[in-house]
Amino acid sequence: GAVVSQHPSWVICKSGTSVKIECRSLDFQATTMFWYRQFPKQSLMLMATSNEGSKATYEQGVEKDKFLINHASLTLSTLTVTSAHPEDSSFYICSAGTSGTNEQFFGPGTRLTVL
Amino acid sequence: AQSVTQLDSQVPVFEEAPVELRCNYSSSVSVYLFWYVQYPNQGLQLLLKYLSGSTLVKGINGFEAEFNKSQTSFHLRKPSVHISDTAEYFCAVNTGFQKLVFGTGTRLLVSP
Repeated sequence: GAVVSQHPSWVICKSGTSVKIECRSLDFQATTMFWYRQFPKQSLMLMATSNEGSKATYEQGVEKDKFLINHASLTLSTLTVTSAHPEDSSFYICSAGTSGTNEQFFGPGTRLTVL
Repeated sequence: AQSVTQLDSQVPVFEEAPVELRCNYSSSVSVYLFWYVQYPNQGLQLLLKYLSGSTLVKGINGFEAEFNKSQTSFHLRKPSVHISDTAEYFCAVNTGFQKLVFGTGTRLLVSP
């Protein structure tokens, strides 16, 4: 149980284009989803927290207009990197949690490369 | 605010030797503690967690950790490592609002 998927697993795009990454909880309802960014050989940095049906809460320093997060249902959250630039190249990982628990279940990650 | 310190960025060890990966945390309130493992180009897999109860927690793949409140530590141990244990290990803490704070990670390198 508690499986989280991400799609795509990797994506290459041109500078200036937008990229959408999907995060799905496959066998449970995720009241909260989290988006992380991980640079090579570094730890995970929380970008934002999203609750189903409400606006995401962004961490300090994360541009909300650049990283659009939508949590339209209890099983799906999307992260859209708008007008991507090479410095946005990174490994993006989502996780999902349910109310009343202290555990997050992580997706396999999406490798974004912006040329 | 809570924080997590993993002092060792890399730990080299020979196969079948014991290993300890250190994790210290700081928090002014009760915490929940986690260890995750990450293999290259993959997401995080939960190894074990401490929520309450016994301070010695056993996880998957033969790993265990001990919660020490007085020393604010949650060190991860395995009595005999395998080549397949080579990976990045992250310690994390939350205070009950689900938001996790991660340490910087420790790369475990197991050699034959």
